[in-house]
Amino acid sequence: QSALTQPASVSGSPGQSITISCTGTSSDVGGYNYVSWYQQHPGQAPKLMIYDVSDRPSGVSNRFSGSKSGNTASLTISGLQAEDEADYYCSSYTSSRTLVFGGGTKLTVL
Amino acid sequence: QVLLVESGGDLVKPGGSLRLSCAASGFTFSDYYMTWIRQAPGKGLEWISYIESNGDTKSYADSVRGRFTTSRDNAKDSLYLQMNSLRAEDTAVYYCASGSRDYFDYWGQGTLVTVSS
Repeated sequence: QSALTQPASVSGSPGQSITISCTGTSSDVGGYNYVSWYQQHPGQAPKLMIYDVSDRPSGVSNRFSGSKSGNTASLTISGLQAEDEADYYCSSYTSSRTLVFGGGTKLTVL
Repeated sequence: QVLLVESGGDLVKPGGSLRLSCAASGFTFSDYYMTWIRQAPGKGLEWISYIESNGDTKSYADSVRGRFTTSRDNAKDSLYLQMNSLRAEDTAVYYCASGSRDYFDYWGQGTLVTVSS
C-alpha cells in the first residue's frame, strides 16, 4: 500500500490554471476509475472536490476538473483564486480492496 | 444537514486501547459506506478502514490490520473504531467520513488520539 505520488508543492497566480498530478500503478490509479480529490484548508476537515476521476459533487466550482491517463490522474484548477490556496490530496481504490491517498500537494496562490 | 461527530480521542500509553465513536445525523446512515481516515500531526491523510452499509464487508490498511476493528450500529446511526495495541505512530487526528466505498463526501471534524508514555 504505497502512497500515491504527488508533487509536494505547486503555485500559480490569480487567474492562471494549475495542474496537480497523482501517480500510482496499474493496481490502483491505472486499474480503476475510482480516483477522488480532496481540498484541505489549515485546521479544517478535507472536502471532496472530484470523485470517480472527473465527476464534481454538487456545489463544487466548475473551475475544478479531473482527468486520468494511464497510471496518472490529474486535478486542474482554472481561474485560480486566493481561496484555492490549500492542501490537495488524491485517493484511489486499489486491487487489494483498500484505498490509498497521495502524499498531498500544497497549492500556493502567489 | 449531514453531521458527523467523532468522540473518544484521548492520551493513551503504548500498548493501550481506545474506542472511537462517530455519531451521524442528517442522512440515512444505513445506506452508506463509512470510513475512518487519520492524519498525523503535520502529515498527510492515511486511509484506515471502511465498512459497508450493512456491516458485512470491512477492509483495513496494512498498518492497522489485526489491531483495529471497525463496526457500526445502524439502529444508533453510529460508527466505531476499536483500537488495540496502540503505538506512538498511531498518534493522529482520526476522521470518520461517509460516502461510497471509494470516495468520502462528508467528513467529521476529527478527534485527536495521542499515544505516549
